[in-house]
Amino acid sequence: DAMVIQNPRYQVTQFGKPVTLSCSQTLNHNVMYWYQQKSSQAPKLLFHYYDKDFNNEADTPDNFQSRRPNTSFCFLDIRSPGLGDAAMYLCATSRANEQYFGPGTRLTVT
Amino acid sequence: SQKIEQNSEALNIQEGKTATLTCNYTNYSPAYLQWYRQDPGRGPVFLLLIRENEKEKRKERLKVTFDTTLKQSLFHITASQPADSATYLCALENNNQAGTALIFGKGTTLSVSS
Repeated sequence: DAMVIQNPRYQVTQFGKPVTLSCSQTLNHNVMYWYQQKSSQAPKLLFHYYDKDFNNEADTPDNFQSRRPNTSFCFLDIRSPGLGDAAMYLCATSRANEQYFGPGTRLTVT
Repeated sequence: SQKIEQNSEALNIQEGKTATLTCNYTNYSPAYLQWYRQDPGRGPVFLLLIRENEKEKRKERLKVTFDTTLKQSLFHITASQPADSATYLCALENNNQAGTALIFGKGTTLSVSS
């Protein structure tokens, strides 16, 4: 089945230790997104790619960066995670209007 | 600034009843509105999209209305079942962004008891 895959599902990192979250898709969609979702809050858009064009939300911290080496893969790099970065990170794709989400990566910062 | 509000954080109903969830928005003129379902620890799943020129959209037991004058969407689940228990998110296109970036509401958590 075509899908959005996120690895790992659970990630534990230490305060200040760089971490990379991965997303891949088999849907061949041209748009990919990264969201941060904290408990009982709305998913908050961090970045999105329209093909190779990168769009950064104005309030996304500089500590967060993203790479999209090809259509299928997208990475979220957190350079120096703080305790406030503990959250669920959701990857999504779209071709038209609706978005297709992966299962998310739960990040814990110790 | 653009704002999306979903009427309540939690809604509890009995099996078989109709659940009605509300999404209100301000400072916004979206071309369409979407509803998603999110189960605990999972990513949201797309349910329905309704365009500004559509008053109502249906899919099986789901019905969505869109009132651009009131700036409100209602999401109905008829003949609700315990399996419908989840958080339901509404989302609007972000007019400031290229592509199809969305702004999500916080969601309403629906609990259907048998």
